[in-house]
Amino acid sequence: DVKVTQSSRYLVKRTGEKVFLECVQDMDHENMFWYRQDPGLGLRLIYFSYDVKMKEKGDIPEGYSVSREKKERFSLILESASTNQTSMYLCATKAGVHGYTFGSGTRLTVV
Amino acid sequence: SQQGEEDPQALSIQEGENATMNCSYKTSINNLQWYRQNSGRGLVHLILIRSNEREKHSGRLRVTLDTSKKSSSLLITASRAADTASYFCATDAQQAGTALIFGKGTTLSVSS
Repeated sequence: DVKVTQSSRYLVKRTGEKVFLECVQDMDHENMFWYRQDPGLGLRLIYFSYDVKMKEKGDIPEGYSVSREKKERFSLILESASTNQTSMYLCATKAGVHGYTFGSGTRLTVV
Repeated sequence: SQQGEEDPQALSIQEGENATMNCSYKTSINNLQWYRQNSGRGLVHLILIRSNEREKHSGRLRVTLDTSKKSSSLLITASRAADTASYFCATDAQQAGTALIFGKGTTLSVSS
């Protein structure tokens, strides 16, 4: 089974800090995704990547950037964390025409 | 852009009853998928139905797809307390290089 590992389950950061959320997959999947999940809003796509060094903006990329230097790792970067970025962040990967495999999520609180 | 919209937002039933959740979407799709999320965890893929399929079964799950109405339903038969979770539909568009778009989910509560 594919395993998607998000480095932290819970994270508390201060406003203005640069925050790195890491996601690592143990298979050779090309496609990786970052979503954020908020109550009443469901999952919203931030960024995705279909190959190393490739990235595509999702629906809400503002305030975020991503890095994909190696196939197995897709990092989400909050350049200057703000309180409205307090959320659950979910990383996912996809192979072929199958469904996505999600990590356990990182609950980020910005104070 | 929210593609899938689930209905109802919340559903409470007794163990042994069937649970039906509906999903509507707006644009043409390649396939539609259903996911489950236990509280505070990641999503787990349940079932995928392609645009040329009308019905699919997996264990106690039955999914239907009506592309003319742009809607899908997920039926969980003989519900158990362990089915308590949030359920999301997600649509996969027909063009390459796109990502799944999720609805807001249905929260299912099954009491014993």
